[in-house]
Amino acid sequence: QVQLQESGPGLVKPSQTLSLTCTVSGGSISSGGYYWSWIRQHPGKGLEWIGYIYYSGSTYYNPSLKSRVTISEDTSKNQFSLKLSSVTAADTAVYYCAREDYYDSSGYRLWGQGTLVTVSS
Amino acid sequence: DIQMTQSPSTLSASVGDRVTITCRASQSISSWLAWYQQKPGKAPKLLMYQASSLESGVPSRFSGRGSGTEFTLTISSLQPDDFATYYCQQYNSSPPRTFGQGTKVEIK
Repeated sequence: QVQLQESGPGLVKPSQTLSLTCTVSGGSISSGGYYWSWIRQHPGKGLEWIGYIYYSGSTYYNPSLKSRVTISEDTSKNQFSLKLSSVTAADTAVYYCAREDYYDSSGYRLWGQGTLVTVSS
Repeated sequence: DIQMTQSPSTLSASVGDRVTITCRASQSISSWLAWYQQKPGKAPKLLMYQASSLESGVPSRFSGRGSGTEFTLTISSLQPDDFATYYCQQYNSSPPRTFGQGTKVEIK
């Protein structure tokens, strides 16, 4: 079955760029029909949608983060990635990659396990 | 953006209780609503989608209702495994997607 796995540095310095990758196994990111998404959760808080990428590389970002976010895909590696620039302590969170099926209209059925990113000098 | 408001924020209940969580949208989202259960240190788990469709493998004690702006998630008889935090999420046609702030179901 399809699985998602986040990877990347667990510690990022303030003002630098946070970079995470989500590796998709058991299925192809190029198959179409899905929004490949990033969602984060601040410690002890709720869930915040960051954005997604879908077929042909189209993206949509949360307006509150849009100026700092880039989501891209590498179909040769079956991965999609998140870059968040100019980070501050407020970007400390668990970051999840997730898949939304837009044909099935079922929300987020598939999630990665999440990775904690701490912003600190 | 569509704002999602859940109530209550915390719910204290006993095993066997019937519990209901409410989620309100700031504008109509038709039935484009999902419910998730999250346990500490784990990713959210999809329970319900399209407001009232039970995800495969989820116990039938979970049910969802509503359309437009008001939605509920009901657990008919609370079990020990159900103590967790629950989130609603709207996925109306246009992004961004938004989540409710969560409802923690704790042991009374």
